[in-house]
Order: sequence, then C-alpha cells, then structure tokens
Amino acid sequence: AQKITQTQPGMFVQEKEAVTLDCTYDTSDQSYGLFWYKQPSSGEMIFLIYQGSYDEQNATEGRYSLNFQKARKSANLVISASQLGDSAMYFCAMREGRAGGTSYGKLTFGQGTILTVHP
Amino acid sequence: EAQVTQNPRYLITVTGKKLTVTCSQNMNHEYMSWYRQDPGLGLRQIYYSMNVEVTDKGDVPEGYKVSRKEKRNFPLILESPSPNQTSLYFCASSLFGAPNTEAFFGQGTRLTVV
Repeated sequence: AQKITQTQPGMFVQEKEAVTLDCTYDTSDQSYGLFWYKQPSSGEMIFLIYQGSYDEQNATEGRYSLNFQKARKSANLVISASQLGDSAMYFCAMREGRAGGTSYGKLTFGQGTILTVHP
Repeated sequence: EAQVTQNPRYLITVTGKKLTVTCSQNMNHEYMSWYRQDPGLGLRQIYYSMNVEVTDKGDVPEGYKVSRKEKRNFPLILESPSPNQTSLYFCASSLFGAPNTEAFFGQGTRLTVV
C-alpha cells in the first residue's frame, strides 16, 4: 500500500534562510507523481510543486525545489529565502499511476509539517 | 476563473440530521474526490469518481454517500452525521486520475457535529 511519511511535525526557520521539509514515500508502482501543497491558516490547499517518477531532473518552481532521490524514496521540499508568508502547514502527497487499480487517482497525504518563519 | 467551489464553508449540525456538502468544478474535469482532514492524519480520501455515474469508495467511506449525476457536481451526503465526522472536508478535481495531473481543491468545509 502506498504511504507518505513526514517526520517533522514542526519546523522553525529564520526569515531569508533556506529550509528543507522531509518526505519519504513507499510504493510498489513504477509510475507515480509526488506533490507538495501548502495550507495557510485560512485553510485552503495551494499546489506548490510536482515531480514525476520518471523525471530525471529535480522540479523547481520559483523559490521551491524538490530534492528527489528515487532510490531512497524521498521527495524533500526545499524553500529558499524564506518569507514570513511561508508560515503554514505543508503536505507531501503521492498519486499512483496504475490505471484500474483500487487506488488509481487517489492522493495519499503525509501528516503534514507546520513551518514557522521567524523575522 | 478555474475553480472548485464547495458550500457551505462552515456548518454546525446535530447528530442524526442529514446534510449535504456541495462541490462544483468548472474545468470539465473527469476525476473528482472528497477528503477529510484530521490532526495528525493528513488528508484521507472518502470517495472518488472517475466520471459521471462512476463512483467508488476511498479509504474512509463509512457514514458517507456521494453521487455524480453531472460532470461538474459531486455532492457529499451525510445521512446521519455523528460527532466523529467532525472534520475539515475538501473536494478536489483533476483532469484525470493519472499521476501527473494536478488536483485542484475547494476552499474546504469545516463541519462540526454536536
């Protein structure tokens, strides 16, 4: 069964510094996608970045990059130059690709990491 | 504007009183799903739909019903709500269920059952 683990319940970072949020996953599928979402205190889910299992390059989106280590089954989110507005809950999620399987299309989420950015 | 719209945003109800949370998307997406978010558990899938009239159970379907009569709408029905269904609920849609398709989320519905 697919599983996502985020081992950091909370993280603190100083403004303008970089921070890494950890995510490990478990799947027996060869085709899958990894996503990171941000959830501010207002509650909405904001898509940040995506990495496909066959992508050879690490994904980047502005200040966000994904450190994808397939052999270790990890997909850590790196936020560079942290801003006060980055304070939020962050979720790692995985979507498997086996069409017709019972988990097809399902996003499996980790427990989340609360990031606090200090001025 | 491409969006997923959930209503209501907040709901307080009593045990046993049937309720419906609506979800509508304007992106012509085939795949829609419902999740609940609980502290320490992340989001868990309740039900999903791969297309009109095609629905199936997710990981935590007990106590919930869904229907998909039109492509754009995917309501979540609680026939007899109980306090353990107090949670934050999200509707999500994506073009397909393929692993490289982004899921778009509604604003969330915070449900309290007393």
